[in-house]
Amino acid sequence: DAGVTQSPTHLIKTRGQQVTLRCSPKSGHDTVSWYQQALGQGPQFIFQYYEEEERQRGNFPDRFSGHQFPNYSSELNVNALLLGDSALYLCASSLDPQGVGAKNIQYFGAGTRLSVL
Amino acid sequence: GQNIDQPTEMTATEGAIVQINCTYQTSGFNGLFWYQQHAGEAPTFLSYNVLDGLEEKGRFSSFLSRSKGYSYLLLKELQMKDSASYLCAVRDVETGFQKLVFGTGTRLLVSP
Repeated sequence: DAGVTQSPTHLIKTRGQQVTLRCSPKSGHDTVSWYQQALGQGPQFIFQYYEEEERQRGNFPDRFSGHQFPNYSSELNVNALLLGDSALYLCASSLDPQGVGAKNIQYFGAGTRLSVL
Repeated sequence: GQNIDQPTEMTATEGAIVQINCTYQTSGFNGLFWYQQHAGEAPTFLSYNVLDGLEEKGRFSSFLSRSKGYSYLLLKELQMKDSASYLCAVRDVETGFQKLVFGTGTRLLVSP
């Protein structure tokens, strides 16, 4: 049973460029959440996708956008990259965002390390 | 507002017991999670508490007091491989949907 997979592993971009990160959720999961983790910090919630819609968003600008496909995989797009966007971007998958109990555990991928020069 | 506090760094000796504390303030609470994260790797789920009390899972235990906004992760019989960051996260319920709000993490260094 494959866990959460993310691609690419590492990425180097320059300021002003655009980037697309990809995530495949754990088998059977229908919800994908994206987090940004700066060095030495905890992950910060970017947004969550369920049924191909953005259902909740953290305190991130509109330069951050996403998409969820019918097979539940997801993309994170960042436009007009800034130096401060350099971070580890984590994808987490879970089942049923409105349920309660252990089935809402979020399982994380290994992340994409983005460096903006 | 949302605020989660945990110590930045802790050190302990192999074979010992260590307790990592976490205090939180959130607008809506629906569970507290502990994750382990080795450097450069994905956070790995350790434990989940939604009711007050202690949850034990092998060498790891987690405690929750909702009235005090307090949790701790207890690690027994420490091993070198336990050197990692430990993330406390609260599931915050807003508008019917759920997100995880993380603390900054506690870096644990286990020495021989």
